[in-house]
Amino acid sequence: EIVLTQSPGTLSLSPGGRASVSCRASQIVSSRYLAWYQQKPGQAPRLVIFGASWRASGIPDRFSGSGSGTDFTLTISRLEPEDFAVYYCQQYASSPYTFGQGTKLEIK
Amino acid sequence: QTQLQESGPGLVKPSETLSLTCTVSGGTVSSSTYYWAWIRQSPGRGLEWIGTIEDSGSTSLNPSLQSRVSMSVDRPKNQFSLTLRSVTAADTAVYYCARQAGEALGGYWLDPWGQGTPVTVSS
Repeated sequence: EIVLTQSPGTLSLSPGGRASVSCRASQIVSSRYLAWYQQKPGQAPRLVIFGASWRASGIPDRFSGSGSGTDFTLTISRLEPEDFAVYYCQQYASSPYTFGQGTKLEIK
Repeated sequence: QTQLQESGPGLVKPSETLSLTCTVSGGTVSSSTYYWAWIRQSPGRGLEWIGTIEDSGSTSLNPSLQSRVSMSVDRPKNQFSLTLRSVTAADTAVYYCARQAGEALGGYWLDPWGQGTPVTVSS
C-alpha cells in the first residue's frame, strides 16, 4: 500500500498570500495518478487537480499542481477567502487507492 | 451535470449489515468511460477508499475490507450500491459515493462526489 504523507498539517496564511502543500509518497507514483481535493466543513471533497497538474473543471488558475516521482506540491497563489479549507492528495496508481491525512489551510 | 446522492440507514447495530445506495442523476451508470466508487471518512481513519464497480459489474475492492464488502449496479434505477457485512464501531463514518474516471480518461480521479451520509454503528 502506498502511504501519502502531507506537510504541513496546518498552514496559517493571510488572504492574498501563497500556499504550498506537500505530498510525499512512500513509493514512486506516476504523475498521471495523483490528485488533490479540497474539503470545506460539512461538505464532500471536491476535485481540484488530477494527473498531478491538470486543473479540474471550474477550478481557478490560481491553483496549480506539480511534482513527480514521490514528491508532489499543490500551490495556491493569491489566496481568496473561499480557498481556506482542508486539502488532500490521493494516489490512484495502485490499489488500494490512498489519501494523505490532509492539510488544513486556515486564515492567519 | 452529473450529481450523486447517497441513501441508507444512519444507524446500524454491531454485527449487522450496512446497505447504502447511490442514485446518479444527469448521467448514466451504464458507462464505459466512468466507474463508480465508495469512500468513507472518519476522524480516526481519514479518507478511505472502499471500492469501485464498473458497468460490467467488475469490482476492485480495498483488501482491508474485501472480505466484508460487496457492490452492485442497478441500471434501470441508475443506482449503485454498497453492502458491508459484520459491522463494528470502527465502521462508523461518513460514507460517500463518487464517480471515478476510467482508464480511457487516463486516470481514476474521483469527481463528482455525493454529499455523504453519516453512518453510526451502535447498539
